[in-house]
Amino acid sequence: GAGVSQSPSNKVTEKGKDVELRCDPISGHTALYWYRQSLGQGLEFLIYFQGNSAPDKSGLPSDRFSAERTGGSVSTLTIQRTQQEDSAVYLCASSRGTGREVAFFGQGTRLTVV
Amino acid sequence: SQQGEEDPQALSIQEGENATMNCSYKTSINNLQWYRQNSGRGLVHLILIRSNEREKHSGRLRVTLDTSKKSSSLLITASRAADTASYFCATDKGGSYIPTFGRGTSLIVHP
Repeated sequence: GAGVSQSPSNKVTEKGKDVELRCDPISGHTALYWYRQSLGQGLEFLIYFQGNSAPDKSGLPSDRFSAERTGGSVSTLTIQRTQQEDSAVYLCASSRGTGREVAFFGQGTRLTVV
Repeated sequence: SQQGEEDPQALSIQEGENATMNCSYKTSINNLQWYRQNSGRGLVHLILIRSNEREKHSGRLRVTLDTSKKSSSLLITASRAADTASYFCATDKGGSYIPTFGRGTSLIVHP
């Protein structure tokens, strides 16, 4: 596609339920990033995929969070047993992955845990 | 902890005035980028400056980088109401190319 696509745009879920957030990066981009942004805050790095390398999971806040990237393209961020503090906008970005490259962002998924 | 921090947190100006935002960071970098965010959603890339560059221009935007002071500034000249947004600097941490963002500067341009 022309840009990074994220779905759903908005998600309301009950506390304790699992959610899956999807990111479709720009075709040909080997690097993919997930960030989380709480209201009025900066972007918190979650996880980074680069080609076939092992992902950098150093930003995941707890073991309830996991992500995978299938076939080097689409990525899914899964949050298990959601908590109210998980409410945030989850942003995905991709880049060509050659280093020192611009990251292109999707419009994000606004997650609300009630 | 945040690698980059923007200053001020909020800036309110009149249309036509210049807006200056600053970014300070802690460790050595390969490059520094500025992004803009409207309405709390996706970020749009504005400009990238490499560690061996001191100044870059793009339209009404001017970015400077001072690696000795570990700081950068973004100047928007002749601001417009449409420039109202949050502006973030993003740095990588030396050996890593993962962009790390600050908390941003919220800019309001009054028509």
